[in-house]
Amino acid sequence: DAKTTQPNSMESNEEEPVHLPCNHSTISGTDYIHWYRQLPSQGPEYVIHGLTSNVNNRMASLAIAEDRKSSTLILHRATLRDAAVYYCILRGSYNTDKLIFGTGTRLQVFP
Amino acid sequence: NAGVTQTPKFRVLKTGQSMTLLCAQDMNHEYMYWYRQDPGMGLRLIHYSVGEGTTAKGEVPDGYNVSRLKKQNFLLGLESAAPSQTSVYFCASSYQGLLYEQYFGPGTRLTVT
Repeated sequence: DAKTTQPNSMESNEEEPVHLPCNHSTISGTDYIHWYRQLPSQGPEYVIHGLTSNVNNRMASLAIAEDRKSSTLILHRATLRDAAVYYCILRGSYNTDKLIFGTGTRLQVFP
Repeated sequence: NAGVTQTPKFRVLKTGQSMTLLCAQDMNHEYMYWYRQDPGMGLRLIHYSVGEGTTAKGEVPDGYNVSRLKKQNFLLGLESAAPSQTSVYFCASSYQGLLYEQYFGPGTRLTVT
C-alpha cells in the first residue's frame, strides 16, 4: 500500500494561511489523495480530496504536485477552530472500502 | 438528520466482562466501519461492512465481533474485555466507493480495568 509522510506538528497564528504538507512518493496513478481532520475529542471529518488537479472547497484548498509525489492542504485563514490533527490518506483500488490513517499533523493555532 | 450516533458515550468494564457498542446511521449508507484510537495514534480499522448482512476484518480485528443485521445499524461486541481494549471507539459510514467521504460518530470512550 502506498504510504504518506506528514510532519508531526505545525504552528500558525490566527488569520494567517497554513500550508500542511504530505509526501506520498509511492503513489500510484489511480490513487486519490484525501484529507480528514480531527478536532479535539471528536471523530474525524472530511476536508477535501483530489486526484491530479488542484481542488478548492469551502473548508480548504488542495494543491497537488505535478508528479503527484506530494500535496499540500491549504487553510487560507486559520482560525482557532482549525486546531486539529490533519490526516493525509491515499485511497485506491487496493483500499476502495477503507481509510488507512497515519498519525497525521497536529496543527496548533495561536491567537 | 442525526448522522452517525454511537451508544454509549462512556463505559467502564472489568476484565472479562462483555459488552456491545451500537452504531446507527440515518443516511442510508451502504458501508459502515468501526475504528479504535489509542492515545497519540491515528485510527485503526477493526471491522467493516459493505452492506446489510456482510462484515469484513480490518487491521486489528482480534477480540472483537461485529454484526450488521440492519442496514442502519452496526454492532461491535467485546466478548471478554481486556485492558488492551481500553480505547476510544469510532463508528463511521459512507456511500459505496472511494470517492465518497466517511461520516464519523462522536466516539465511545471505553476503559477496561
